[in-house]
Amino acid sequence: QAQLVESGGGVVQPGRSLRLSCAASGITFDYYGMHWVRQAPGKGLEWVAVISSDGGNQDYADSVKGRFTISRDNSKDMLFLQMNSLRTEDTAVYYCAGLRVPTTIPYWFDPWGQGTLVTVSS
Amino acid sequence: DIQLTQSPSFLSASVGDRVTITCRASQGISSYLAWYQQKPGKAPKLLIYATFTLQNGVPSRFSGSGSGTEFSLTISSLQPEDFATYYCQQFNSYPLTFGGGTKVEIK
Repeated sequence: QAQLVESGGGVVQPGRSLRLSCAASGITFDYYGMHWVRQAPGKGLEWVAVISSDGGNQDYADSVKGRFTISRDNSKDMLFLQMNSLRTEDTAVYYCAGLRVPTTIPYWFDPWGQGTLVTVSS
Repeated sequence: DIQLTQSPSFLSASVGDRVTITCRASQGISSYLAWYQQKPGKAPKLLIYATFTLQNGVPSRFSGSGSGTEFSLTISSLQPEDFATYYCQQFNSYPLTFGGGTKVEIK
């Protein structure tokens, strides 16, 4: 059974950095294109970033471009999101999600992780 | 960016009711639309992809229709476990975008 488990969330001051992780199990991770999607408290869903199955291609939402970096380690079935220069508006639950499609071609998301909360506050 | 507008944003209904949620895209997206259900404190769950196709394990009371810019999700007979928030998502192009959500509550 496919399972994605995020970790690394917490409270951080504006301008600081945080690295999120997502551990995959029950799937052939290196067949999956992977994404980060976030949800601010009480708000809707916002796509953040995508990475291809081999890690060679990435794309980002304009709101995080230049500040966030998505990466993966297929040898460990792990996905990461390095978040720098954090802003209060980055406060959200961050979900990792994927699909068994190796490229960054747009698709839907399944499975999803349970999410990890990032709070940016002074 | 492609904007998705869901209506209504809030819906009050009774068990057994037929419910329809609409998602309108700011430009044509062919059939590149998915629907998700989200319950409080939980991750979204994929219900339907490519406008019509029911994800494995999703009850047949859920159905999707539409093309181009107008799409809908229908629940033929609302069950207690269906009270949740529903989101549409386009995968025609990046950035991937979601509708603002429709919260379905018990009347």
